[in-house]
Amino acid sequence: DQQVKQNSPSLSVQEGRISILNCDYTNSMFDYFLWYKKYPAEGPTFLISISSIKDKNEDGRFTVFLNKSAKHLSLHIVPSQPGDSAVYFCAASLYAGGTSYGKLTFGQGTILTVHP
Amino acid sequence: GAGVSQTPSNKVTEKGKYVELRCDPISGHTALYWYRQSLGQGPEFLIYFQGTGAADDSGLPNDRFFAVRPEGSVSTLKIQRTERGDSAVYLCASSRGLPITSGGKTHNEQFFGPGTRLTVL
Repeated sequence: DQQVKQNSPSLSVQEGRISILNCDYTNSMFDYFLWYKKYPAEGPTFLISISSIKDKNEDGRFTVFLNKSAKHLSLHIVPSQPGDSAVYFCAASLYAGGTSYGKLTFGQGTILTVHP
Repeated sequence: GAGVSQTPSNKVTEKGKYVELRCDPISGHTALYWYRQSLGQGPEFLIYFQGTGAADDSGLPNDRFFAVRPEGSVSTLKIQRTERGDSAVYLCASSRGLPITSGGKTHNEQFFGPGTRLTVL
């Protein structure tokens, strides 16, 4: 069972516009969410995270929104740049009373292409 | 500083052979994770080490897979009697340790290596 889903395999955006990447999860126990970015032949690199006690976290051009009731999170990139073209993975983690260890459950990824 | 390194970057082997994949984590990182990424999928958790011990190996698909971290630093993922279905990119990640939460924000950044692409013919 896929506990974290990214239903859009790809997204194409014009430079300067907003990119919105979506992610849904099914396990209501997840309480920490992350976005990773991956270039070809490289490992994923951490982009931004959000704890379940917040509904928004912003870092420069990147903002992550969390809707716990809908079990949905999204990543907004504004303005989008050609260098943002990569595969984006959302991931979720579970902290069980502070004893968890950060095991990540990933979605399938969304390929973002930003056109000049 | 140096990031997570993995060797080899590519490994081609024949069905039934034994392979070892190596991970050098960031110096001082006590937590180490192995993930496997199949084509078109996200990384899937395999095993987690805290120090020298495997705290959670629930993601290992079967007993052909084994991993060690004898000195709490370098880790080796070992696959016996490889099968074509084992073909994937094997990713290693390390982090400082257990997550901490401060000011409502949780910190647990995992740094990933570039992966080893395993092809079983």
